[in-house]
Amino acid sequence: DVKVTQSSRYLVKRTGEKVFLECVQDMDHENMFWYRQDPGLGLRLIYFSYDVKMKEKGDIPEGYSVSREKKERFSLILESASTNQTSMYLCASSSPSGTDTQYFGPGTRLTVL
Amino acid sequence: QQQVKQSPQSLIVQKGGIPIINCAYENTAFDYFPWYQQFPGKGPALLIAIRPDVSEKKEGRFTISFNKSAKQFSLHIMDSQPGDSATYFCAASRSSGGYQKVTFGIGTKLQVIP
Repeated sequence: DVKVTQSSRYLVKRTGEKVFLECVQDMDHENMFWYRQDPGLGLRLIYFSYDVKMKEKGDIPEGYSVSREKKERFSLILESASTNQTSMYLCASSSPSGTDTQYFGPGTRLTVL
Repeated sequence: QQQVKQSPQSLIVQKGGIPIINCAYENTAFDYFPWYQQFPGKGPALLIAIRPDVSEKKEGRFTISFNKSAKQFSLHIMDSQPGDSATYFCAASRSSGGYQKVTFGIGTKLQVIP
């Protein structure tokens, strides 16, 4: 059974803090993604990675960075958290193929006070 | 700029009804159209998908209708059940540098009333 896990289900941080969101997949997938989900805005891609140590900006990368040191692990970093980064963060992984079905983790609800 | 427009944002139907969710796109480079289903507290999961060379695809009670000339596609849920209550995302993807770049719609929150 495929599995994508995220380090926290709920997280509360203060403005200006550095925040790390961790994602691990056990499917040996090459591609990994970070999205944020907001009501009325759907899923928006922040960053993705198609190989270890490789990363590409998505549609809304400002204020975020990522790290992929191992194939199974993809981290999202908020260098200095702000209140407008309060959101649900979803990690996903996929394997290059004709369809690239994305497998999502359960999400991390981040609140920045 | 919304590349995949999805409507409605919310939908309430009675059990047994046929909810319909519509999506439209502009970029003709999209070559794969998946639908994802998300239950509360869970991440989205692939429900059903279609390629543009097919006008309809059915899996159980879920049907995608695809109109290539109009650049529109829709999800129909036959004989809807309370257990179908979830948020549904349409998506469109295209090949980009060896991987599929996926663009999601804003989502439709469906509630099926017993």
